[in-house]
Amino acid sequence: DVQLVESGGGLVQPGGSLRLSCAASGFTFSGYSMSWVRQAPGKGLEWVANIKEDGGEKYYVDSVKGRFTISRDNAKNSLYLEMNSLRAEDTAVYYCARVGSSGWSFLDYWGQGTLVIVSS
Amino acid sequence: DIQMTQSPSSLSASVGDRVTITCRASQSISIYLNWYQQKPGKAPNLLIYAASSLQSGVPSRFSGSGSGTDFTLTISSLQPEDFATYYCQQGYSTPITFGQGTRLEI
Repeated sequence: DVQLVESGGGLVQPGGSLRLSCAASGFTFSGYSMSWVRQAPGKGLEWVANIKEDGGEKYYVDSVKGRFTISRDNAKNSLYLEMNSLRAEDTAVYYCARVGSSGWSFLDYWGQGTLVIVSS
Repeated sequence: DIQMTQSPSSLSASVGDRVTITCRASQSISIYLNWYQQKPGKAPNLLIYAASSLQSGVPSRFSGSGSGTDFTLTISSLQPEDFATYYCQQGYSTPITFGQGTRLEI
């Protein structure tokens, strides 16, 4: 079975940094693009970043460009999100998700999410 | 960026009802439109991809249609487990964008 398990969330002060991890299993990780999607408390879904299968192409929503970095280690079947200069508005549950392979850019498997709280 | 607008934002219905949720894109996205269901405290679950293709394991009472800018998600006969929030998402171009959600209530 496909499994995605996020970790690394927690409470961080404004301006601080945090690194999220997503451990993947049950599929050939190196064969799929991956995404991070977040959801602020009581709000809707917001796509954050994508990374291609080999890590060669990365895409970000404007609000995190220059502050967040998506990366992956295919040997470890792991996805990461390095978050710097965190702001209160970055407070959210962060989900990692697999991008379906058929080219329609859908997210077919999601992790359970990890909560990031940015507060002093 | 492509804006996705869902209507209605919330909807009250009863078990057995037929329900339709609409999603409009700010520009043509062909059929690069996907639908998700999210229950409280849970991750979203993919229902429909490419506007009308049913994801494996999703009940056939869910269906999608549309192309270009206008899309619909239909639930043919509501079941108790269908009361949730539904999101559309365009995969036509980056940044990927979601609709604001439709909360389906009893």
